[in-house]
Amino acid sequence: AQSVTQPDIHITVSEGASLELRCNYSYGATPYLFWYVQSPGQGLQLLLKYFSGDTLVQGIKGFEAEFKRSQSSFNLRKPSVHWSDAAEYFCAVGSISNFGNEKLTFGTGTRLTIIP
Amino acid sequence: GAVVSQHPSWVICKSGTSVKIECRSLDFQATTMFWYRQFPKQSLMLMATSNEGSKATYEQGVEKDKFLINHASLTLSTLTVTSAHPEDSSFYICSARETGGSYEQYFGPGTRLTVT
Repeated sequence: AQSVTQPDIHITVSEGASLELRCNYSYGATPYLFWYVQSPGQGLQLLLKYFSGDTLVQGIKGFEAEFKRSQSSFNLRKPSVHWSDAAEYFCAVGSISNFGNEKLTFGTGTRLTIIP
Repeated sequence: GAVVSQHPSWVICKSGTSVKIECRSLDFQATTMFWYRQFPKQSLMLMATSNEGSKATYEQGVEKDKFLINHASLTLSTLTVTSAHPEDSSFYICSARETGGSYEQYFGPGTRLTVT
């Protein structure tokens, strides 16, 4: 069965510093991978996705992620964070459910706090 | 584009009553919609997948008679929590996948349900 691990529950970084959020996945086939961001009390917004091709994926808001098959990882990075980046970040892997539907399995999330 | 709305954004109901939550895709047609449940500071757990015009498929452990899902059109899915109890209090989020799309889901802003 597919699974996603986000080892960091909470990360605090200074505004302007670089950021890396870790994500490891387990899936038997070629994974479809996603990063979503959730602001308090809000739904999820897609930051970026990887389906195939170039393993370095560019997303919105200056985020990027790199797919490393050998490490089963899909870490999210940003060179310089802004106070508005404070939110909850979820990594997800796409798979086929037992009913033949495409589904997303989410990690437990990483809460990002930005300090001035 | 790709906007999903939910109504209501929050609701308080008494134990034993039923509550209906609507999920609409505003600017695209969605053959498939998904319903998630999110507990405080936790990840999203897929409850069920609904396909327009057919019965929803429920994830293991989700009571189909308690969480009734109807997907009567390509832009509307509803989740009815029947005979609600305090343990049903949660944040319910829907998402929609554009007809012909693959994996990528667009999320609604969520509905906060409190059962007293």
